[in-house]
Order: sequence, then C-alpha cells, then structure tokens
Amino acid sequence: QVTLRESGPALVKPTQTLTLTCTLSGFSLGTSGMSVTWLRQPPGKALEWLGLIDWDDDKYYNTSLKTRLTISKGTSKNQVVLTMTNMDPVDTGTYYCARIRGGVNNRWIDPWGQGTPVAVSS
Amino acid sequence: NFMLTQPHSVSESPGKTVTISCTRSSGNIASYYVQWYQQRPGSSPTTVIYEDNQRPSGVPDRFSGSIDSSSNSASLTISGLRAEDEADYYCQSYDSSVVFGGGTKLTVL
Repeated sequence: QVTLRESGPALVKPTQTLTLTCTLSGFSLGTSGMSVTWLRQPPGKALEWLGLIDWDDDKYYNTSLKTRLTISKGTSKNQVVLTMTNMDPVDTGTYYCARIRGGVNNRWIDPWGQGTPVAVSS
Repeated sequence: NFMLTQPHSVSESPGKTVTISCTRSSGNIASYYVQWYQQRPGSSPTTVIYEDNQRPSGVPDRFSGSIDSSSNSASLTISGLRAEDEADYYCQSYDSSVVFGGGTKLTVL
C-alpha cells in the first residue's frame, strides 16, 4: 500500500525558513519513473501546486514561488524534503506531499498524504 | 501558462445528475489530459477521474469525465447524487507545470 506522511513544524515566524519532510511507504523515489510532489492549501481556498522531484533528481517548481522553494531527496530514498524561505502569513495553510502518476506528457496526483498544517505568525 | 476556470458552486437534489465544468484559458483542452479530485471537509483530496475519463479502482461508475473541444472545457458528471458526494471538486491538468482549477463546492440539497 502506497502512503505518504508529512512532518514538520506547525508554527513558524515571518521571515523564517520552513522545512517539511515527506516520508514514503510502499514505493521508493529511487525507482525509475517515480516522482513526488508538494502542494498546499490556504484555509478555505483552492489547492496550489508547489513543485515536484523525479526519481532522477529532475525538479520542477511553480514559477511564482520558484525563488523560495527547494525540493530535495532526504538522507534516505524514502524521504523528500521541502524548504521554503522567507515565510509570510499568507503562506499559512495545509501542506501536502503526494505521489505523481502518469508520464512525461501527463502528471496527476495519487495518493495524497494526510497534510500538515503550517501557521505563519509572530 | 494556462488557467482552469470552474464554477464556484453547484447544487442539486439527491438522485439527480450534476455536471461541473472546467474551462481551459489557452491551449487545446484535448491535447492535455484532465483529472478530477474530490475533497471532503477535513480530508485530503482523492482522485475520481484521471486522463479525462478513467475511473480509479473503487470509484463508482456514477462518476464520469468528458472533454468538449468546442468549448475548450472538461466536465465531471455525477449521476444518482448521494449525500456523501457533497464535497469540493478540483480539475487539474499538466503542461510543464501542474495546474488546478479554483474548485467547485457541490451541495447535495
């Protein structure tokens, strides 16, 4: 069974850097063709894609957030790390990691992790 | 890049059929697969349709997806509405980046 679980701080201060970890189970990012993505959802608002990392370490980011984001493999092949710099209260929301399905011409998301809430406040 | 536009909300009675649209701002809708996700309150999204009209295992055949090139839009149709279908629905497509629609709140009256 494929599952993903996000972990990290529930509260960060403005200007700080957020670091979240996604722990994979049932698959490995070391396997050819696998990809993991990060997304977020502000309270009461729509889903927003942040970026993704492929098994071969190719990375793609939301162009509007690209300068603040880094997605990388963790110390083990079953972890993916999201780093977002210069956090602001507008970055408050639930952050999800998820597996990417599909191929080069289509990427879709399944399954999603349970999400982790992040609040940005002084 | 492109945008996907959905109605903010739709409502219908139990047992009826409802259709949610998703219009692509630029680029041919038929050239890029569309997915649909259901998000119940307090839960993570789950896939109800992928690659325009495919249902994942476990999704009832009351859910169907289609593409209309004339309006450059995709649609999610849910027939035989049940109270449990009340949720937010998001369309999504990919063209070098993952793009979501703004979501549609479905109310089952």
